[in-house]
Amino acid sequence: DAKTTQPPSMDCAEGRAANLPCNHSTISGNEYVYWYRQIHSQGPQYIIHGLKNNETNEMASLIITEDRKSSTLILPHATLRDTAVYYCIVRDRNSGNTPLVFGKGTRLSVIA
Amino acid sequence: GAVVSQHPSWVICKSGTSVKIECRSLDFQATTMFWYRQFPKQSLMLMATSNEGSKATYEQGVEKDKFLINHASLTLSTLTVTSAHPEDSSFYICSATTPGNTIYFGEGSWLTVV
Repeated sequence: DAKTTQPPSMDCAEGRAANLPCNHSTISGNEYVYWYRQIHSQGPQYIIHGLKNNETNEMASLIITEDRKSSTLILPHATLRDTAVYYCIVRDRNSGNTPLVFGKGTRLSVIA
Repeated sequence: GAVVSQHPSWVICKSGTSVKIECRSLDFQATTMFWYRQFPKQSLMLMATSNEGSKATYEQGVEKDKFLINHASLTLSTLTVTSAHPEDSSFYICSATTPGNTIYFGEGSWLTVV
């Protein structure tokens, strides 16, 4: 079972920041937070991951609360092509045999 | 990021026949690959974990004799759907773990059994 809770859907205006929340209150110390997205009819795309520090890459920023029980994925300037289902997943990154277990994710609709 | 490729992207087969889907890690070696399937408007469901050189580990409820997985090299895993039936029609997705333990996904393969 997925160990995260996400809102089922969100809307965001094009050009604005999209802030996607995720609760993972039972996360353990060796589990990382991963974010993936799935655009319709494609395989999931890796976005970003983190342990406890905030992370930023060319796609997004990841903000993790100090107690690590929740996080927020930020797309700074959403475009129509960012419309997708976004999945927040916790996983022990130290084990290569550990799969990603997907919940229902958040369906983000970017609106012109 | 790392590249994982699946082939074919889509396939149509007759009921009772077998279909093979390939998953390749193009720029890294993957000792572990995972196979998922996804039905319309649902999330990805893990089918099995494929380890190079050993037998795959199947999730509960997934028939290992129907979904044959072979991970013969560090860059290739195959999923064969045997004696396919219309209810096997689905979107099949593979993923591979990089040496740095990040997982990347293939583009997915649409299977339609008629």
